[in-house]
Amino acid sequence: EVQLVESGGGLVQPGGSLRLSCEASGFTFSSYWMSWVRQAPGKGLEWVANIKQDGSEEYYVGSVKGRFTISRDNARNSLYLQMNSLRAEDTAVYYCARVYDSGSGSFYTPLDYWGQGTRVTVSS
Amino acid sequence: DIVMTQSPDSLAVSLGERATINCKSSQSVLYSANYRNYLAWYQQKPGQPPKLLIYWALTRESGVPDRFSGSGSGTDFTLTISSLEAEDVAVYYCQQYYSSPLTFGGGTKVGIK
Repeated sequence: EVQLVESGGGLVQPGGSLRLSCEASGFTFSSYWMSWVRQAPGKGLEWVANIKQDGSEEYYVGSVKGRFTISRDNARNSLYLQMNSLRAEDTAVYYCARVYDSGSGSFYTPLDYWGQGTRVTVSS
Repeated sequence: DIVMTQSPDSLAVSLGERATINCKSSQSVLYSANYRNYLAWYQQKPGQPPKLLIYWALTRESGVPDRFSGSGSGTDFTLTISSLEAEDVAVYYCQQYYSSPLTFGGGTKVGIK
């Protein structure tokens, strides 16, 4: 059974940093692109970042470029999101998601499994 | 960026009746090389993460009931629930994965009339 379990969320002051983790199980983690998606309170979904299977490629939404870094440790079956210079508008539930493997090698496919999310609140 | 616009924002349907949700993209998400539409639909129930329902605009994910169907091509897409059940109460999102940044529609809340 595919499982994705996020952790690391919490309350942080504006300008602060936080590192989110996602532990994966039930599939060959190193074979999949992985993604972070966030959802502000009462709002819709926003894709944040993707990372390639070997970590050699990263893609970000414009609003987090230069502040957030996605990374992974395939030996630990873990995905990370380092968030720096946090702003109030980064307040959200952050979901880790697996990118569906269409066999094409690209991340232009849907997100087929999602974790339960971890809540990040940026406030003074 | 491709903007995804869903309509309506919410709808209430009687149990057993049809629910129809529309999604429009600001540019085509049809990839000419493989004739696939890079469009997915997700269901999110309260307090839960999103769940993939439909991808490539019309392919139902394994385990998804056949009362859910997707249609459309290019820039205009539809998610149809043919006979609404109580467990279908949720917010539904469309998403394009044609180009980065990946973008979602604003969501459509489906309730019971």
